[in-house]
Amino acid sequence: DTAVSQTPKYLVTQMGNDKSIKCEQNLGHDTMYWYKQDSKKFLKIMFSYNNKELIINETVPNRFSPKSPDKAHLNLHINSLELGDSAVYFCASRELNNSPLHFGNGTRLTVT
Amino acid sequence: QKEVEQNSGPLSVPEGAIASLNCTYSDRGSQSFFWYRQYSGKSPELIMSIYSNGDKEDGRFTAQLNKASQYVSLLIRDSQPSDSATYLCAAINTGGFKTIFGAGTRLFVKA
Repeated sequence: DTAVSQTPKYLVTQMGNDKSIKCEQNLGHDTMYWYKQDSKKFLKIMFSYNNKELIINETVPNRFSPKSPDKAHLNLHINSLELGDSAVYFCASRELNNSPLHFGNGTRLTVT
Repeated sequence: QKEVEQNSGPLSVPEGAIASLNCTYSDRGSQSFFWYRQYSGKSPELIMSIYSNGDKEDGRFTAQLNKASQYVSLLIRDSQPSDSATYLCAAINTGGFKTIFGAGTRLFVKA
């Protein structure tokens, strides 16, 4: 199936831990994104990579570090997790600058 | 001022009625606009894209764009209970790199 897939689907961890979320797309898109959706359902852009190059870095704590080993993969590593990091994180990709986003299924992160 | 604004709702309509969802945006340079539907616990799925002023119809859905008023709307005709979801309005910013989302409008269609 052609899709954006991210793992894991659920992530429960304690404050202070470090965790990673992986994302892969087989749509052949050059641009990938990480979005955070909080409890009020607001989707906020975090990062974007275009063909492995970081092009958007919103006001996100340095504890969040994206990595794109190739244009089909975009991973998100989070250090020293805090309670406020609890949210659903969506990976997305798109073909062109005016194209819609294709979303992965999301990773629900719960920090206790 | 938020970049993309929507009434958070909830909007409640009876089955078979027309649901009207509205959105305004602040970036005059935005050229591409989208409506996504998101069911609880699921990812957003694209319903409509619109790039030119006027109406665009796809089945029961009609998107309307007025760039002069910086206004986008979505009409859902013959609303069904399965249309109950959160509807997200989105716009791509000037420069084309970011897709900015509104906070979403919750729609309930009563059987």
